Amino acid sequence: GAGVSQSPSNKVTEKGKDVELRCDPISGHTALYWYRQSLGQGLEFLIYFQGNSAPDKSGLPSDRFSAERTGGSVSTLTIQRTQQEDSAVYLCASSLDFPGAGELFFGEGSRLTVL
Amino acid sequence: QQQVKQSPQSLIVQKGGISIINCAYENTAFDYFPWYQQFPGKGPALLIAIRPDVSEKKEGRFTISFNKSAKQFSLHIMDSQPGDSATYFCAASDETSGSRLTFGEGTQLTVNP
Repeated sequence: GAGVSQSPSNKVTEKGKDVELRCDPISGHTALYWYRQSLGQGLEFLIYFQGNSAPDKSGLPSDRFSAERTGGSVSTLTIQRTQQEDSAVYLCASSLDFPGAGELFFGEGSRLTVL
Repeated sequence: QQQVKQSPQSLIVQKGGISIINCAYENTAFDYFPWYQQFPGKGPALLIAIRPDVSEKKEGRFTISFNKSAKQFSLHIMDSQPGDSATYFCAASDETSGSRLTFGEGTQLTVNP
């Protein structure tokens, strides 16, 4: 597709369950980001993959959160033992990875609701 | 640490009026300052961006003003239209070090007809 694709668009889960959110970036984009947007809040950085470099995991809020990027393309964000405070929209973005290419292209997000 | 502070949190403007959103940053290494626009149910999209070698950039009805000494930048929307109603985020990054964008808290703009 032409844009960043995220799935599922909506996910309702019970507290304590694990969830996986998927992101398919724009073809050719080597940088991939995950952000979290809580209701009425700004964009909270979670993790950043840049080419073959070690990911920047400095924004992950706890060890229940992890992410991987396979083959330099698709990424999966996993939240283990979900809590109600994990409810938010999880946004994925991709960009070209060279200096000056600052534009991030966002997907429409995965809305997670933890009951 | 909140590195980019944005105000106001919400803004209501009449059609045809000027919308002004302000941001302040702390990290003097920041060298790229974009604004993103987000409509309900959609991801944010780049609206306009500026680098610190200029003090102003204009694209159509949208203008960024940049004050390096004050570490502040602002978005002006001239002749605001109901279709401009959205959430606006300022952001900043240090591109030379390949750092990721740090976003402000967002401003929900409503333009009344």
